[in-house]
Amino acid sequence: QSALTQPASMSGSPGQSITISCTGTSSDVGAYDYVSWFQQHPGKAPKLLILDVSKRPSGVSDRFSGSKSGNTASLTISGLQTEDEADYYCASHSTSGACLFGGGTHLTVF
Amino acid sequence: EVHLVESGGGLVQPGGSLRLSCSASGFIFSNYWMHWVRQAPGKGLVWVSRITGDGRSTKNADSVEGRFTVSRDNAKNTLYLEMNGLRVEDTAMYYCASDVGWGQGTLVTVSS
Repeated sequence: QSALTQPASMSGSPGQSITISCTGTSSDVGAYDYVSWFQQHPGKAPKLLILDVSKRPSGVSDRFSGSKSGNTASLTISGLQTEDEADYYCASHSTSGACLFGGGTHLTVF
Repeated sequence: EVHLVESGGGLVQPGGSLRLSCSASGFIFSNYWMHWVRQAPGKGLVWVSRITGDGRSTKNADSVEGRFTVSRDNAKNTLYLEMNGLRVEDTAMYYCASDVGWGQGTLVTVSS
């Protein structure tokens, strides 16, 4: 059960758009449309941003969007705001029945 | 409003046992798969275990297989994680999670 691959860190300026990638294999990300994205601020519990690749739960800003191509899923944050500075994690179901998380991406907004 | 509240964490010696609980409200508990996810201090999220809505199917991460058991009581809207043979490396915040939300976590510390 290997973790999904995310960039360790990314940065952007307020108002910009950034895209965080999440690379897996044909046994996880590429196998199902069951990729989720989470946001975690320091000392807080994770918050669900995206489920099933591109669905946004009620209450999540439409500045957050998800997509997938092959074995790579992506989270795009448009119109960056300072409060978007946080850690972001992807997760996927796998054909083994297990779930996998990415290693996390720390986003800095400066 | 969805609420997930974990309990049962604490300090335990290596080789010991703990039972975590997660009380759910605000949604139809039996309709959702539930997961346990942990986060060691300063580290990333790691999936631990999951159970289907009817409780008939479970799956554990390789790192806890044979030591941890996930279960649920849909009549009580409660998820459980029975942890045996605890190791120092099991030290982490443990979260219960579903597609409708996450709890705030309960801290498990394994130390002599």
